[in-house]
Amino acid sequence: DAKTTQPPSMDCAEGRAANLPCNHSTISGNEYVYWYRQIHSQGPQYIIHGLKNNETNEMASLIITEDRKSSTLILPHATLRDTAVYYCIGAPGNEKLTFGTGTRLTIIP
Amino acid sequence: GAVVSQHPSRVICKSGTSVKIECRSLDFQATTMFWYRQFPKQSLMLMATSNEGSKATYEQGVEKDKFLINHASLTLSTLTVTSAHPEDSSFYICSAGLRGWSYNEQFFGPGTRLTVL
Repeated sequence: DAKTTQPPSMDCAEGRAANLPCNHSTISGNEYVYWYRQIHSQGPQYIIHGLKNNETNEMASLIITEDRKSSTLILPHATLRDTAVYYCIGAPGNEKLTFGTGTRLTIIP
Repeated sequence: GAVVSQHPSRVICKSGTSVKIECRSLDFQATTMFWYRQFPKQSLMLMATSNEGSKATYEQGVEKDKFLINHASLTLSTLTVTSAHPEDSSFYICSAGLRGWSYNEQFFGPGTRLTVL
């Protein structure tokens, strides 16, 4: 799996967009970028994934740079329930995931 | 969406006893299930990958005789912690992948908190 680097923590005001960066400069051509999050004392939750193109779903948007060395997860209107640890993972499809330390996102009222 | 359950959600046991944790995919068939362990304030660590009808593949450093995994059907995998000791106290989480899925969207259970006294 590609090694990813994320800031250990971030704060975001409620109602604002939360932009979570991830560096994955060693990602291979066949590795997707996955984002999961884990709310305290719960199992992780899949958010979104992408290979080359930007992606959007009901939860978030994923912006991947053209060289694929970094990406940004965007939560468009953060709520208090978005407070969680967010994990960025680079991995081929249909293979195991390796979780790093992630970014602890705190949404501030 | 796909739902994965775990049972029990919390268990306390005495040192030396064995504990079984169940992981079920409720509304889909899971060809592959994964077992993770998470210590306080740490990230998830993959313990093993379980494929229905075959032996589990354990990650380096995980004792297969201590952590017995059975994946007898497409909807059920079990993890048995044998002769548990206090250092086995942890948060155990399973995940399941949809049959035939081509990317790594895993559905995670809510976790089981094990405390060994």
